[in-house]
Amino acid sequence: DSGVTQTPKHLITATGQRVTLRCSPRSGDLSVYWYQQSLDQGLQFLIQYYNGEERAKGNILERFSAQQFPDLHSELNLSSLELGDSALYFCASSPGGSTEAFFGQGTRLTVV
Amino acid sequence: AQRVTQPEKLLSVFKGAPVELKCNYSYSGSPELFWYVQYSRQRLQLLLRHISRESIKGFTADLNKGETSFHLKKPFAQEEDSAMYYCALSGNNRLAFGKGNQVVVIP
Repeated sequence: DSGVTQTPKHLITATGQRVTLRCSPRSGDLSVYWYQQSLDQGLQFLIQYYNGEERAKGNILERFSAQQFPDLHSELNLSSLELGDSALYFCASSPGGSTEAFFGQGTRLTVV
Repeated sequence: AQRVTQPEKLLSVFKGAPVELKCNYSYSGSPELFWYVQYSRQRLQLLLRHISRESIKGFTADLNKGETSFHLKKPFAQEEDSAMYYCALSGNNRLAFGKGNQVVVIP
């Protein structure tokens, strides 16, 4: 157990819908990362937050947004879902911005 | 910006044979490098970090700053080594991953 909790574990939804994925980082970790892993694209960095502020942005679509709350948990919002958004979404946390990260078990999103 | 390259997507080896996964990076500063392993699309787990220079599950990796490489090696592959392996570079407050290597160990 890495200490990073992601909910839900599985999510099935229809195209056009909106979903929210939640991540609770390890106790004391200030940095949260979001990654998308699809079968053909490998691990894609989406966005990073550090102590509530956006720190770095990767290949995140405009339909996707995220935030980190004062209690340091983070949410990733995916809207106007498309079939191609089906993937595993991982959250990771680290104490600071430039150290190793600890991963959650992921949320498996299926868009039908 | 940092970049991590893992050139081989799939590597098949026989049990007992050596394994080498290549990782090259580009980064202007002083990097921190890691190898992560992912079994059956479960959570990624840290396998090695370059600063500790340790051997985990028989794997080692040496940082070569001249060649900007951090290749992962194991002298004798085991069936339980079948997994995805990701090389990662930490810098600029961000953790960048390579595209990963799928390792299949053939009994």
